[in-house]
Amino acid sequence: GQNIDQPTEMTATEGAIVQINCTYQTSGFNGLFWYQQHAGEAPTFLSYNVLDGLEEKGRFSSFLSRSKGYSYLLLKELQMKDSASYLCAVRDTGGFKTIFGAGTRLFVKA
Amino acid sequence: DVKVTQSSRYLVKRTGEKVFLECVQDMDHENMFWYRQDPGLGLRLIYFSYDVKMKEKGDIPEGYSVSREKKERFSLILESASTNQTSMYLCASSGDRLSYEQYFGPGTRLTVT
Repeated sequence: GQNIDQPTEMTATEGAIVQINCTYQTSGFNGLFWYQQHAGEAPTFLSYNVLDGLEEKGRFSSFLSRSKGYSYLLLKELQMKDSASYLCAVRDTGGFKTIFGAGTRLFVKA
Repeated sequence: DVKVTQSSRYLVKRTGEKVFLECVQDMDHENMFWYRQDPGLGLRLIYFSYDVKMKEKGDIPEGYSVSREKKERFSLILESASTNQTSMYLCASSGDRLSYEQYFGPGTRLTVT
């Protein structure tokens, strides 16, 4: 079956670093995406990994290990505006179908 | 800037009504998607389309149909709305490379009473 697991909620302090993990079991793999979704808003793209390793983009980094079916999103120098849900998504082979995890709600406290 | 728009932000319909949700994108994207988002379940794919007049079922197509007569427009149809279709509906589009992300519309919160 197809399954993507992420923690439901996490809390972190402003200025700190937080790591959001994602494990997946899918029939195919054509890349892993991370999206950010603020309450009441649409998801917006954060990162894309298709090869093993770390992709860095400013305060955000994303890591992928295909052999372990594992990814994480690392957020540094947390700001209050980073309070949002973070969605892990895997693109299936043979097309553009994308499977989303249920999302991790991150609370950043002062 | 890619723009994906949806016809309504909020919609209230009665059980048994036929409901049309419309999505328009302005970036000439080949692929368009309809999802529903429910608490604890995340985004679930209803249907997607990779070309005009082409469609493929997603994970939860039952009770829904779609139409794509023009490249920029993708409609979701609830043939006979039921209370378990009360949800947030999100439309998205993406270009034709697998590395390309999806751009989402603002969503339609549909309530079926």
